[in-house]
Amino acid sequence: IQLTQSPSSLSASVGDRVTITCRASQGISSYLAWYQQKPGKAPKLLIYAASTLQSGVPSRFSGSGSGTDFTLTISSLQPEDFATYYCQQLNSYPLLTFGGGTKVEIK
Amino acid sequence: EVQLVESGGGLIQPGGSLRLSCAASGFTVSSNYMSWVRQAPGKGLEWVSVIYSGGSTYYADSVKGRFTISRDNSKNTLYLQMNSLRAEDTAVYYCARETYYYDSSGYLVGWGQGTLVTVSS
Repeated sequence: IQLTQSPSSLSASVGDRVTITCRASQGISSYLAWYQQKPGKAPKLLIYAASTLQSGVPSRFSGSGSGTDFTLTISSLQPEDFATYYCQQLNSYPLLTFGGGTKVEIK
Repeated sequence: EVQLVESGGGLIQPGGSLRLSCAASGFTVSSNYMSWVRQAPGKGLEWVSVIYSGGSTYYADSVKGRFTISRDNSKNTLYLQMNSLRAEDTAVYYCARETYYYDSSGYLVGWGQGTLVTVSS
């Protein structure tokens, strides 16, 4: 199963609403996660089961979708949110795959 | 505190072997599903391998037959033995603890800081 993220990068300002999409090459139900990775750091789980917020993650992050099309939304971008975001599918577990990533940069 | 610390990376010639270690604290490796994930320089994430608490192992096609995941319960440590290394294996290697949410494992909730493996002559 392949995951295609778009855009691959975006520039946004603090306070902006940001949406990242992830499209699966075949239906994966809700077996999708989103991760945030900052430079030089390990990824951090943000959302699991497509739309459930991991404990401790700010509520400005949200996820939606099922089947083949998914979105990660940041409702009001904060300075600490500038990072690269990856989707991950678990439908073919234990064979996991990740999307190519979306880099969120400061405008 | 839950912590994972990788070690063992370095510069290795093509065709060589290397063993990565991932020392865990704050939880028991043998009671968890543990994965290795790698990231080539400037690239995205690639899942490499998993070992179940029961001992079953699985590998990405790109490393099958060359890499072996294992653990030492007495040392609470996860390993990745990498043989026949290629230039395309160059990456930061992370170990990660999986968790089970709803009806699926595979969610990676705890990660180490990573160790860099460079395969070059």
